[in-house]
Amino acid sequence: EAQVTQNPRYLITVTGKKLTVTCSQNMNHEYMSWYRQDPGLGLRQIYYSMNVEVTDKGDVPEGYKVSRKEKRNFPLILESPSPNQTSLYFCASSFSGGSVETQYFGPGTRLLVL
Amino acid sequence: AQSVTQLDSHVSVSEGTPVLLRCNYSSSYSPSLFWYVQHPNKGLQLLLKYTSAATLVKGINGFEAEFKKSETSFHLTKPSAHMSDAAEYFCVVRRLKDDKIIFGKGTRLHILP
Repeated sequence: EAQVTQNPRYLITVTGKKLTVTCSQNMNHEYMSWYRQDPGLGLRQIYYSMNVEVTDKGDVPEGYKVSRKEKRNFPLILESPSPNQTSLYFCASSFSGGSVETQYFGPGTRLLVL
Repeated sequence: AQSVTQLDSHVSVSEGTPVLLRCNYSSSYSPSLFWYVQHPNKGLQLLLKYTSAATLVKGINGFEAEFKKSETSFHLTKPSAHMSDAAEYFCVVRRLKDDKIIFGKGTRLHILP
């Protein structure tokens, strides 16, 4: 089954404790992306990657890091989480190259930073 | 710069009446446009996408959207609302040059019995 998986789905942590949210897709997609969703703001892009070893900042990259060492995985790293990073996070993937292609979204990771 | 504007943050309709969720886009060239739905505590699901093959796009669950270049709009409609349509809806534009995806702020649809 074609899917995007995220782990963990729920996470409660404390300020300053490094964490990683994993994202994996099994569709051989080149393009992967991370979003955060906050009430009234829709989804805002944090980082995206157009292929292995190619990453770029989205609209709200501060406080986040990503890596793309393999095509299928695109982890989101919070080196020193802060309460303003409490949010719902979505990973997504798609083919790229200018075609009109939909993004497949993961189920979301709900993060609470105390 | 490309962007989308969802004109209403909340829309309430009675069950069985038509639904209209409004979206305007700005783009210097022909955009790729999508509507996604998010039910409470669920992920995002694609409703429909505009591929430039036809201006009237039919999606799942009876929804459709019409691309109107002259009005720079891509409004989402459904002839008859169902209780299960209560959700948040996002209008999305995709920038072709770098595949950047831009979401609208969302419209929460409430269905009244």
